[in-house]
Amino acid sequence: AQSVTQLDSQVPVFEEAPVELRCNYSSSVSVYLFWYVQYPNQGLQLLLKYLSGSTLVKGINGFEAEFNKSQTSFHLRKPSVHISDTAEYFCAVTQGGGTYKYIFGTGTRLKVLA
Amino acid sequence: GAVVSQHPSRVICKSGTSVKIECRSLDFQATTMFWYRQFPKKSLMLMATSNEGSKATYEQGVEKDKFLINHASLTLSTLTVTSAHPEDSSFYICSASGGRAGTDTQYFGPGTRLTVL
Repeated sequence: AQSVTQLDSQVPVFEEAPVELRCNYSSSVSVYLFWYVQYPNQGLQLLLKYLSGSTLVKGINGFEAEFNKSQTSFHLRKPSVHISDTAEYFCAVTQGGGTYKYIFGTGTRLKVLA
Repeated sequence: GAVVSQHPSRVICKSGTSVKIECRSLDFQATTMFWYRQFPKKSLMLMATSNEGSKATYEQGVEKDKFLINHASLTLSTLTVTSAHPEDSSFYICSASGGRAGTDTQYFGPGTRLTVL
């Protein structure tokens, strides 16, 4: 069975500082990995995804993530955050090859401080 | 990008009534749609997966007679909460995949806030 762990429920960071949101997964087969952002009372917006190929994935809004198979991690990073990045961030995994159900992490609340 | 809409965005209903929520893929044909429920400050809980023209597959613990899902076309899925009760109050989010959007990524709607009085 697959699972996703987001260890940090909340991450406060000052504006213009770098941030890393951690995501670890467990799976016995190859996976696809995703990061989504959710603003209050809204749906989820895709930030980036890893399907195959280069392990460093660049997404929207200046975010990037690196797939590390040996550490089973897919941490999300941004070199300089803005107040507008304050939101809930979800990591998700799905098994490749046509199994489409996502397993979501519990989410990390990023709070950017002025 | 792939755009998914939901209607209504908010609904308030009386206990015992039924409520229908629509999920539409606006610029692609969604062969698969998913319905999630999200409690305050919590992650998303998958309720069911529906493929166009087929019966929905419900997750364990989700009452299929209470949460009726129809996926009659490649651009529309509906979730009907029957005989709603206050404990059904929640944020319901749909997602879609397939067609030109690809089958490996889900695109989410903006969600529907249901309040049952």
